[in-house]
Amino acid sequence: NAGVTQTPKFRILKIGQSMTLQCAQDMNHNYMYWYRQDPGMGLKLIYYSVGAGITDKGEVPNGYNVSRSTTEDFPLRLELAAPSQTSVYFCASSRTANTGELFFGEGSRLTVL
Amino acid sequence: GDSVTQMEGPVTLSEEAFLTINCTYTATGYPSLFWYVQYPGEGLQLLLKATKADDKGSNKGFEATYRKETTSFHLEKGSVQVSDSAVYFCALANYGGSQGNLIFGKGTKLSVKP
Repeated sequence: NAGVTQTPKFRILKIGQSMTLQCAQDMNHNYMYWYRQDPGMGLKLIYYSVGAGITDKGEVPNGYNVSRSTTEDFPLRLELAAPSQTSVYFCASSRTANTGELFFGEGSRLTVL
Repeated sequence: GDSVTQMEGPVTLSEEAFLTINCTYTATGYPSLFWYVQYPGEGLQLLLKATKADDKGSNKGFEATYRKETTSFHLEKGSVQVSDSAVYFCALANYGGSQGNLIFGKGTKLSVKP
């Protein structure tokens, strides 16, 4: 079972560059999420989606964009990368909004220099 | 707003020792509570959960009881193993005000020595 797949696993960007973090899930989950994990700070929600075509901001959306054209895919776009975006990014999905059981990908470590 | 506070780490224990990781929360209404575990190099995975007061969640020898009177959800295990070395996150979900989003604590790193 693939579950939630994120690519790339590692990436180094220069300040001002742009990139897209890919996330795909094969569990037919409606709900998908992007979190960032900074050292000692837990996870912060960036964006989430409740279904194809529907996205909404989380706690820390500035500097990011998302789209959800299919149930399976939920890419995260970083425009004009800044050092403050150096972090580990996790994509997650869930079947419903009411169980709290999220399935996480392995994470993407991004460094902006 | 809603929040979760966990004990600071890291926590270092010898194999077979008793483990407690404290977690308290602030929330309106009746949140559900969770413990997630993150093994090195992996994403988070659900360890256990409790959805109402006095519920006990349990899995893999870990337990936590939802205590509304003390707003706590402490994680315990009677005898830890080296394989339990990981980062543990307490989390809550308050479905009345969100789309099922989880609010996470900062995490507690556990290292178990043989």
